[in-house]
Amino acid sequence: AIRMTQSPSSFSGSTGDRVTITCRASQGISSYLAWYQQKPGKAPKLLIYGASTLQSGVPSRFSGSGSGTDFTLTISCLQSEDFATYYCQQYYSYPRTFGQGTKVEIK
Amino acid sequence: EVQLLESGGGLVQPGGSLRLSCAASGFTFSNHGMSWVRQAPGKGLEWVSTITSGGSTSYADSMKGRFTISRDNSKNTLYVQMNSLGAEDTAVYYCAKDVQGACDSWGQGTLVTISS
Repeated sequence: AIRMTQSPSSFSGSTGDRVTITCRASQGISSYLAWYQQKPGKAPKLLIYGASTLQSGVPSRFSGSGSGTDFTLTISCLQSEDFATYYCQQYYSYPRTFGQGTKVEIK
Repeated sequence: EVQLLESGGGLVQPGGSLRLSCAASGFTFSNHGMSWVRQAPGKGLEWVSTITSGGSTSYADSMKGRFTISRDNSKNTLYVQMNSLGAEDTAVYYCAKDVQGACDSWGQGTLVTISS
């Protein structure tokens, strides 16, 4: 199985901060990578697929980049509603696998 | 509007079985792959299984031979039959609609608790 490793595991930030989360795949996955946001007690929400394609309705302060094994999710200007846990997921091959998550908290 | 509504969760004894359902609406169900993803209490997301629009199935290694995913396109419903359940299967189970392999719509989840 392809292992997905996210860093950092947690981040404490303030409104207006720029946040970068990285996701590394244990082998090449082309651009078959998605990013999800999850708030406590809620279902995950798709933010980005194809490594860099913004899902409809997602604010433009979110962006994704990368291909192969190294990927990033950037939040350009952190808003209060962005405090949540973020997961990457590869869908290059089965079994699909998620990263362990990055919790973005209020400083 | 896409809606996915899971049901069938509950308390089951170790070694028991359970079938979860996911009623879909707001899109052409038969045209989309569908997945189950679970989340143990306080833990991260874990992919469980996917069934394509054509009916091909895939499973996480720890669920192979125990879980069976299926779909009834006439009822717009996704299922997962879970057998030989253990404490490690305790989780919220989400169904999700696939778009090009990513999950673009999710249900609210149903809690499965394995305990004696």
